[in-house]
Amino acid sequence: NAGVTQTPKFRVLKTGQSMTLLCAQDMNHEYMYWYRQDPGMGLRLIHYSVGEGTTAKGEVPDGYNVSRLKKQNFLLGLESAAPSQTSVYFCATSVTGRAVSYEQYFGPGTRLTVT
Amino acid sequence: AQSVTQLGSHVSVSEGALVLLRCNYSSSVPPYLFWYVQYPNQGLQLLLKYTTGATLVKGINGFEAEFKKSETSFHLTKPSAHMSDAAEYFCAVSDRGSGGYQKVTFGIGTKLQVIP
Repeated sequence: NAGVTQTPKFRVLKTGQSMTLLCAQDMNHEYMYWYRQDPGMGLRLIHYSVGEGTTAKGEVPDGYNVSRLKKQNFLLGLESAAPSQTSVYFCATSVTGRAVSYEQYFGPGTRLTVT
Repeated sequence: AQSVTQLGSHVSVSEGALVLLRCNYSSSVPPYLFWYVQYPNQGLQLLLKYTTGATLVKGINGFEAEFKKSETSFHLTKPSAHMSDAAEYFCAVSDRGSGGYQKVTFGIGTKLQVIP
């Protein structure tokens, strides 16, 4: 039972390059989230998904796209990377987002540097 | 809109001393409150949560937090710090977002240093 996994763990991109971050979960959770973590700013929500085939924007969605073709996977894409997207990216899941009392489960993170 | 304020981005305590990490929140409805811990190079994991009922919540690793509605606070404490407690701690409040989903707002985090 791996929980929430993220690939890759580290990546260095040049400005303008594209990449996709993969989040996979084996807990059959309904909701999935992508956050970015920057020093002094806590975690900020980029996009989230309420179920297979459904995604929505979070707090800081610009420059990112997402897809959830399968319930267990949530992909985060950067079409044209910018230095401002240098950050640590976390995927999280929750049993359901319809109830607000449930905790979220986090992956180990992806450290992305854009030069 | 809900918000979370963590007082002190860095806290240092001696091994064996009391740990007190402060969290104040604002929420328009009864809040659901969480403390998460992040060890170096790892994701966040749940320490404890308050939903309803008892205002003193016990979590893992000897941590506990008390919900005080009158003070809009949810401070995290541990009677005796251990070296393994060195980590970053995040307070979070959960509410329903405009899209009807669970919206979690995190504080900026408090890095706890334990001095031997």
